Amino acid sequence: NAGVTQTPKFQVLKTGQSMTLQCAQDMNHEYMSWYRQDPGMGLRLIHYSVGAGITDQGEVPNGYNVSRSTTEDFPLRLLSAAPSQTSVYFCASRPFTGGRMNTEAFFGQGTRLTVV
Amino acid sequence: DAKTTQPNSMESNEEEPVHLPCNHSTISGTDYIHWYRQLPSQGPEYVIHGLTSNVNNRMASLAIAEDRKSSTLILHRATLRDAAVYYCIPGTYKYIFGTGTRLKVLA
Repeated sequence: NAGVTQTPKFQVLKTGQSMTLQCAQDMNHEYMSWYRQDPGMGLRLIHYSVGAGITDQGEVPNGYNVSRSTTEDFPLRLLSAAPSQTSVYFCASRPFTGGRMNTEAFFGQGTRLTVV
Repeated sequence: DAKTTQPNSMESNEEEPVHLPCNHSTISGTDYIHWYRQLPSQGPEYVIHGLTSNVNNRMASLAIAEDRKSSTLILHRATLRDAAVYYCIPGTYKYIFGTGTRLKVLA
């Protein structure tokens, strides 16, 4: 049982490039989400999904796209990277028990992204 | 989403109990109260959660005020491995992290 797997662990992009951060979970969790964490700050919610085919915006969605075609995968796409998107990105998953937030969330180890 | 207020930092001596407070005065009746911690260079890790009653697990205890406007995470015997940032997260559908409390454990 691998839990939540994020790839890559590290990435350097040039301004204007696009890329996809991968997130996969093997726990059959309906709810998945993406966060970014800037140095010395708490995590901020980018996008989340309550199941395949359903996504919604979080606190800071601009510049990012997501899709959820399978239960297992929730990729995060940076459309045109900017230096302000330099951050550590975390993916999380949890069971979605009828919408109630009464279950434990599992986080990946993060992707450290630098945009130059 | 409920707003939270936590101390920026706290210190504790090793092997002593630690009480980490959190104010969440705008919490709604259906919001669970979750606590997560983040060790250096790692993703957040679940600690405990509750709705109205006090809760215990192998890691910690959660004391919830009767009016639910505040809660306290209790680490019964702090160890050096407990040094982390602790986040209090009330919510119904989404985890909204605040800035948390950085706990320093002194040997």
